[in-house]
Amino acid sequence: AQSVTQLDSQVPVFEEAPVELRCNYSSSVSVYLFWYVQYPNQGLQLLLKYLSGSTLVKGINGFEAEFNKSQTSFHLRKPSVHISDTAEYFCAVPRMDSSYKLIFGSGTRLLVRP
Amino acid sequence: ETGVTQSPTHLIKTRGQQVTLRCSSQSGHNTVSWYQQALGQGPQFIFQYYREEENGRGNFPPRFSGLQFPNYSSELNVNALELDDSALYLCASNLGGTGPSTDTQYFGPGTRLTVL
Repeated sequence: AQSVTQLDSQVPVFEEAPVELRCNYSSSVSVYLFWYVQYPNQGLQLLLKYLSGSTLVKGINGFEAEFNKSQTSFHLRKPSVHISDTAEYFCAVPRMDSSYKLIFGSGTRLLVRP
Repeated sequence: ETGVTQSPTHLIKTRGQQVTLRCSSQSGHNTVSWYQQALGQGPQFIFQYYREEENGRGNFPPRFSGLQFPNYSSELNVNALELDDSALYLCASNLGGTGPSTDTQYFGPGTRLTVL
């Protein structure tokens, strides 16, 4: 069965520093992977998705993620964060029966400090 | 702005009551999915509708039910509310049938349900 593990519940970082949010997945089938962001009191917004092809995926707001099949990871990175990046970040993998029935991780709260 | 709206924004109910939450999808989106997000957790898939038929269900009891209408609106109904039903309820819509390379799922802002 598919599952997603986000290893860090909270990641504090100073503004303009780099950040990596970790995600590990478990899947017995071809893998699609997603990262979503949730700003306070808002719904989810798609940051990026991996479907196939290049293992380095670029998304919105300067974020990128690298698919690593051997380590079953899909870590999210940004070289320089802003205060406005403070939010909850969720990694997700689809259920086996649909690309749009998502299994989410427990989330990582990114806290950017001035 | 995703084009997916939900109402109401907030709702307070008491245990045992029934509630209906509403979602309006983007025009042309044939697929709507509902998720429950408890405080401090990731969203959990409740069920999905495709062209007004249920198309898969997560690990939720039958007192969670839904409807999808031809005008791209949908409802989530919860009967016999329990305290643990307190959560943010999210709906998400997408075109359906074209695959994730050309189709994106858009989430609404959610309805915050509090059960007392």
